[in-house]
Amino acid sequence: DQQVKQNSPSLSVQEGRISILNCDYTNSMFDYFLWYKKYPAEGPTFLISISSIKDKNEDGRFTVFLNKSAKHLSLHIVPSQPGDSAVYFCAASARSKLIFGQGTTLQVKP
Amino acid sequence: GAVVSQHPSRVICKSGTSVKIECRSLDFQATTMFWYRQFPKQSLMLMATSNEGSKATYEQGVEKDKFLINHASLTLSTLTVTSAHPEDSSFYICSASSAGVYGYTFGSGTRLTVV
Repeated sequence: DQQVKQNSPSLSVQEGRISILNCDYTNSMFDYFLWYKKYPAEGPTFLISISSIKDKNEDGRFTVFLNKSAKHLSLHIVPSQPGDSAVYFCAASARSKLIFGQGTTLQVKP
Repeated sequence: GAVVSQHPSRVICKSGTSVKIECRSLDFQATTMFWYRQFPKQSLMLMATSNEGSKATYEQGVEKDKFLINHASLTLSTLTVTSAHPEDSSFYICSASSAGVYGYTFGSGTRLTVV
């Protein structure tokens, strides 16, 4: 039972454009959502998070939107840069456990 | 910022042997540590959660006698893969969090190959 889903395995965007990564979840008990960036053979690096009581959080080029009624969150990266190319995981937390989605591979083309 | 050190970064072992992976929080006290496993091009799957000084809680389907977790201090947790088999080959990642401070810090992972 996949409680956190990233339905797009890959995304390709042009440098300077917006990247939108999506994530859906099923468990209404999740109280915190996080986005991580990961390179092969490395641990995930934290990017940005959002509490379930908020609908938007912004940090520089990264913005996370949360739609609780739709159980959907998204990560916007603007402008996208070639260095953003990596695998992006969304994760959700309930009772301190972190559950990950399957990941989306983002490729930003110069 | 918080740093978690994980060693070794990669290990190759023979079938039937045991392998120990260490996870250390370098600049904070990790009241809870998590162990994940990632297969190629798949998600990070939570294996177990451990709190300092108590037994680990394993996720459904994870063999506790095969994956021994010890969290003896607030800065160190170990995962021992016992009697390793080729199907145990995977990328193992630890994560640590501290009570009262929200956030998870991940180690750099260990690539285990069982031959």
